[in-house]
Amino acid sequence: DAKTTQPTSMDCAEGRAANLPCNHSTISGNEYVYWYRQIHSQGPQYIIHGLKNNETNEMASLIITEDRKSSTLILPHATLRDTAVYYCIVRVAVGNTPLVFGKGTRLSVIA
Amino acid sequence: IAGITQAPTSQILAAGRRMTLRCTQDMRHNAMYWYRQDLGLGLRLIHYSNTAGTTGKGEVPDGYSVSRANTDDFPLTLASAVPSQTSVYFCASRKDQGAGGELFFGEGSRLTVL
Repeated sequence: DAKTTQPTSMDCAEGRAANLPCNHSTISGNEYVYWYRQIHSQGPQYIIHGLKNNETNEMASLIITEDRKSSTLILPHATLRDTAVYYCIVRVAVGNTPLVFGKGTRLSVIA
Repeated sequence: IAGITQAPTSQILAAGRRMTLRCTQDMRHNAMYWYRQDLGLGLRLIHYSNTAGTTGKGEVPDGYSVSRANTDDFPLTLASAVPSQTSVYFCASRKDQGAGGELFFGEGSRLTVL
């Protein structure tokens, strides 16, 4: 699976949009982009995933560049409860290849 | 409530002792995983099982063993614990193959080896 690069940490003001970048320049055509987050001392939680089209659900939006070499997770109105470590993962969609987590981005939402 | 149950939630263990971390899911998910999480290193995959009766090695399998006798249970065993195995251990499961099928995680087991 392709590796990802994320900033170590970011801050965001409460109520503003949080934009978390992820670089995956070696992504293959059959690899999806997944986002998970981990709130302090809890198990990670799935957020969203996509292949090449932008995706949106009740939690977030995922914007993938046309060349698929990078993506951005957008939390439209960040709250204090969104403070967490956010993981960007790329994974082959065929079969049951395990997800391999990197170190993620620590997002701090500030009041 | 359906989900993944891990036990124990916390354990202090003397080096050299044998320890089994238990993981049970009631969602009938085919795939299950064990991760460890250490400060500064993120989540690392130890072992996984795509279906009952099969297992595979992850990034950091040494010192650990797993079994998958049935769909629901996926215990992780440390045959002879060492201090470097002090960590928080997360079990996860996943229903579907392919692109979908999000991972569901347990609440973790904090293990301290002295």
